[in-house]
Amino acid sequence: GAVVSQHPSWVICKSGTSVKIECRSLDFQATTMFWYRQFPKQSLMLMATSNEGSKATYEQGVEKDKFLINHASLTLSTLTVTSAHPEDSSFYICSARDGLAGSPGSTDTQYFGPGTRLTVL
Amino acid sequence: RKEVEQDPGPFNVPEGATVAFNCTYSNSASQSFFWYRQDCRKEPKLLMSVYSSGNEDGRFTAQLNRASQYISLLIRDSKLSDSATYLCVVWRISGYALNFGKGTSLLVTP
Repeated sequence: GAVVSQHPSWVICKSGTSVKIECRSLDFQATTMFWYRQFPKQSLMLMATSNEGSKATYEQGVEKDKFLINHASLTLSTLTVTSAHPEDSSFYICSARDGLAGSPGSTDTQYFGPGTRLTVL
Repeated sequence: RKEVEQDPGPFNVPEGATVAFNCTYSNSASQSFFWYRQDCRKEPKLLMSVYSSGNEDGRFTAQLNRASQYISLLIRDSKLSDSATYLCVVWRISGYALNFGKGTSLLVTP
């Protein structure tokens, strides 16, 4: 099946620093990627929808100036947590939609990356 | 009311038992439904889609009741390896993102 990678898989940083997380679709083109966040014992919550070549759409309550999303190509989206604080510590997971609907081999399925565990001290 | 609601459990069952999980969703216009499995500290993985007519995949059976906005997952002959958190997931009406339930924790014991 399709593969989505995330890098780094875990990161520990000091409060006030910025952290960049990469999400790549390895064997398919993803016009849309999604960024989710999961706090302990909570459900995955959508943070933003990232469309290639356009601005991300953020969910209510998610600060777009704090969580910068760039989707510069059909295989890469990045999430930058700016000026991270301990309350930003969480499990960040991306998913990529195999969404060139109608294209040969496209399944319009979402594939999840393995997640990035962020700990802010 | 939350978009997707699940009983968090935990469900502790012996090997070989049958266990059922339930889920309700709030948007009656929702069209696509899934069960995902999430192991500790890992990403969710698709277990199965849920169809109106009900569907079965080996020991797993999923049912959808649109009138009651209710989804279920039945696991027969539980294995130790079934221990995980099971997430009820509803595809958003627009935008293709997914709404996740909080998950139901299952522990299968020897």
